[in-house]
Amino acid sequence: DTGVSQDPRHKITKRGQNVTFRCDPISEHNRLYWYRQTLGQGPEFLTYFQNEAQLEKSRLLSDRFSAERPKGSFSTLEIQRTEQGDSAMYLCASSLGPSWDGYTFGSGTRLTVV
Amino acid sequence: AQTVTQSQPEMSVQEAETVTLSCTYDTSESNYYLFWYKQPPSRQMILVIRQEAYKQQNATENRFSVNFQKAAKSFSLKISDSQLGDTAMYFCALVIGGADGLTFGKGTHLIIQP
Repeated sequence: DTGVSQDPRHKITKRGQNVTFRCDPISEHNRLYWYRQTLGQGPEFLTYFQNEAQLEKSRLLSDRFSAERPKGSFSTLEIQRTEQGDSAMYLCASSLGPSWDGYTFGSGTRLTVV
Repeated sequence: AQTVTQSQPEMSVQEAETVTLSCTYDTSESNYYLFWYKQPPSRQMILVIRQEAYKQQNATENRFSVNFQKAAKSFSLKISDSQLGDTAMYFCALVIGGADGLTFGKGTHLIIQP
């Protein structure tokens, strides 16, 4: 098992374009989380899946953001009509147990909107 | 709502010294968990240590230990015999029991000098 994988590692896009990121969790982990980390800040929770069900969404997840985990394995995070304020590191994490057992994080996708 | 505050943006110590990173938090819940995560440069975040709020005994993991002061809502991390590989951003985080998303502080950039 190679841990939590995120693709791409870096993405530069023009304002107004749509982008999609992928996260492959550790295979036996049924819980998957998305976080956003802006420069100089700690990660901020976006959303959480248990298997294919999206069980919690943060207020940070505006209507332009959508996340899916169609078969309870990999997940995608799509941002529509990107804005400069969307520039951040998008982190994915997975866990076998609940949040308080701790996560395994991926290396993140760094998004730059120009 | 929960808040986590890390008041030291950056710290620098010599190799082999002991260093303490500070963290305070605020929550009205009685069931919660606290964490320290380490984010090395350009690498993924990893869990360093966790503490259950209902446990009075401070958690330890090899060279890492915490000083959990529940009444003061303080959760500091002590790193003994610091090593060059300890250079990283350190994030304090909290999760309420039964919740899914962690609340992170802004982080402390720890630099271990040779």
